[in-house]
Amino acid sequence: EDKVVQSPLSLVVHEGDTVTLNCSYEVTNFRSLLWYKQEKKAPTFLFMLTSSGIEKKSGRLSSILDKKELFSILNITATQTGDSAVYLCAGHNYGQNFVFGPGTRLSVLP
Amino acid sequence: DTEVTQTPKHLVMGMTNKKSLKCEQHMGHRAMYWYKQKAKKPPELMFVYSYEKLSINESVPSRFSPECPNSSLLNLHLHALQPEDSALYLCASSLLPGEYISYEQYFGPGTRLTVT
Repeated sequence: EDKVVQSPLSLVVHEGDTVTLNCSYEVTNFRSLLWYKQEKKAPTFLFMLTSSGIEKKSGRLSSILDKKELFSILNITATQTGDSAVYLCAGHNYGQNFVFGPGTRLSVLP
Repeated sequence: DTEVTQTPKHLVMGMTNKKSLKCEQHMGHRAMYWYKQKAKKPPELMFVYSYEKLSINESVPSRFSPECPNSSLLNLHLHALQPEDSALYLCASSLLPGEYISYEQYFGPGTRLTVT
């Protein structure tokens, strides 16, 4: 059965800190790994990763995929209180199935 | 327009009621999804429609009945639900894998369903 695991499940940091969120996956016929940010409502898309070793960046956020180790990380530098959210990663396979991990709840204190 | 809309925002229904959730997108996406999300849990995939045809049903009970009347609309018909079905129901859409490189999902705001 396909599975996505995230760590840590919860993280509390102070503004300005850098955080690294982890995601490991076991997805049959793997196609891509996606990261989402969920605040109070629906998840919003952050990154889609399909190739190993190519870093994707968007402002203070960056992410990379290791398809050999079945692993991805999401980095957030110079965190702000607005970064407080649940960060979800999801494995996507060629069968169009999306399997979500449990999420990492990030709290950024002022 | 990168918006997925869902109605209603909130719904309270009894176990004998019949109700429907609606989802709409105008991004030309040919894949549409229903997810169920319980509090402090990740979204769980329920159904996937590709080209208006049901392609994935994740063993969802028959009291949930999806319908895709056209490429922009997705409905979820509810009947004889149980209190444990109370959750946030999320709709999402995406381009179909294989058509384009980028196929991230866009989520609607969700319908918060309470079954009494």
